[in-house]
Amino acid sequence: EDQVTQSPEALRLQEGESSSLNCSYTVSGLRGLFWYRQDPGKGPEFLFTLYSAGEEKEKERLKATLTKKESFLHITAPKPEDSATYLCAVQAYSNSGYELNFGKGTSLLVTP
Amino acid sequence: DAGVIQSPRHEVTEMGQEVTLRCKPISGHNSLFWYRQTMMRGLELLIYFNNNVPIDDSGMPEDRFSAKMPNASFSTLKIQPSEPRDSAVYFCASSLSLAGIEQFFGPGTRLTVL
Repeated sequence: EDQVTQSPEALRLQEGESSSLNCSYTVSGLRGLFWYRQDPGKGPEFLFTLYSAGEEKEKERLKATLTKKESFLHITAPKPEDSATYLCAVQAYSNSGYELNFGKGTSLLVTP
Repeated sequence: DAGVIQSPRHEVTEMGQEVTLRCKPISGHNSLFWYRQTMMRGLELLIYFNNNVPIDDSGMPEDRFSAKMPNASFSTLKIQPSEPRDSAVYFCASSLSLAGIEQFFGPGTRLTVL
């Protein structure tokens, strides 16, 4: 069965304090790995798609990387506006069809 | 460009009542997905459509739940009769296609069943 585990569940950073969020996955074959940001009371906002091990993508202070077992979302010099829940999801070549299997998310708080 | 549109944004109803949630996908997107989000279970896929045809409804919890997509620009998720355990945020998402393509989410409908 496909599984997605995110860690830590919650993370508190000082403004400017860089860190990484982890997404570990177990799938029979990875079709794509997706990162989303979700603000309270809003729908998930798409950030990145990664398809193969070694791939990296960047957007402002965020950088996503992918290995065969996990993905990291690196946050460099975060600002308070980066506070949100970050969700990881995988789509697999499996009996699950085209479902996005989401992790429970990492709740990030960046304090001034 | 308009994103995915959902209505209503909030719905409060009493147990046993029928609830209909509505979604307008992004124009040109061929695939539409309905998700439910709760604190306990996170985001769960309920059903998805491709070119207006339901492809997989295995995530629909019970026969009380039904979904339709009569055309490319409109979909509904209906719960009849509603129960308190159906209380959650329901999201609609759309994508250009099914495979390996990012899905874009609407703002969600917060459903409370009393």
